[in-house]
Amino acid sequence: GENVEQHPSTLSVQEGDSAVIKCTYSDSASNYFPWYKQELGKGPQLIIDIRSNVGEKKDQRIAVTLNKTAKHFSLHITETQPEDSAVYFCAASPRDSSYKLIFGSGTRLLVRP
Amino acid sequence: DSGVTQTPKHLITATGQRVTLRCSPRSGDLSVYWYQQSLDQGLQFLIQYYNGEERAKGNILERFSAQQFPDLHSELNLSSLELGDSALYFCASSVAAGSTNEKLFFGSGTQLSVL
Repeated sequence: GENVEQHPSTLSVQEGDSAVIKCTYSDSASNYFPWYKQELGKGPQLIIDIRSNVGEKKDQRIAVTLNKTAKHFSLHITETQPEDSAVYFCAASPRDSSYKLIFGSGTRLLVRP
Repeated sequence: DSGVTQTPKHLITATGQRVTLRCSPRSGDLSVYWYQQSLDQGLQFLIQYYNGEERAKGNILERFSAQQFPDLHSELNLSSLELGDSALYFCASSVAAGSTNEKLFFGSGTQLSVL
């Protein structure tokens, strides 16, 4: 089955700097890759997603890139702000009869003021 | 607010007991997913229901079971509870009505503490 690896597990950046989180997946048939942000005491919230027919997608300060050949995708956050501090999860959706998501292990991002 | 409602928010119980977690999906969503989040295991997929039928199974223990009712709400039943079952249990929902819209929306979770 699908396996998703995520790095780094923790990331500390200065406010205004960029943050990059990387994920690799194992199932070449996976075709959907969302990113979730989880704040303390809350459920994961979808922040951006990308499908396998697209190489890059951007939404304001957040962008995601996908390299299907290498089977990896990345989250880029520019001009980081303290409110970006949270745990970020990548996920992949295997192409089968379900729409379940397989999640990476999470990255705890700390943005220092 | 994602539109997915989970109750209760917190549950404290003893080993060997049985509990039921409840989830109401977003209006219009036909699929419900259950995930377990523990400190050392991350977000683990347990089970998915689509329009009342089991669609996919993940790392769900035999002591755990779930169902989705005709009004599309779902319940996760955990029995013979052990200390290691202490975790956050999330429910998520999606349209999953034959389209490629796989966007999952998560509830705020039920924190289960087994003492």
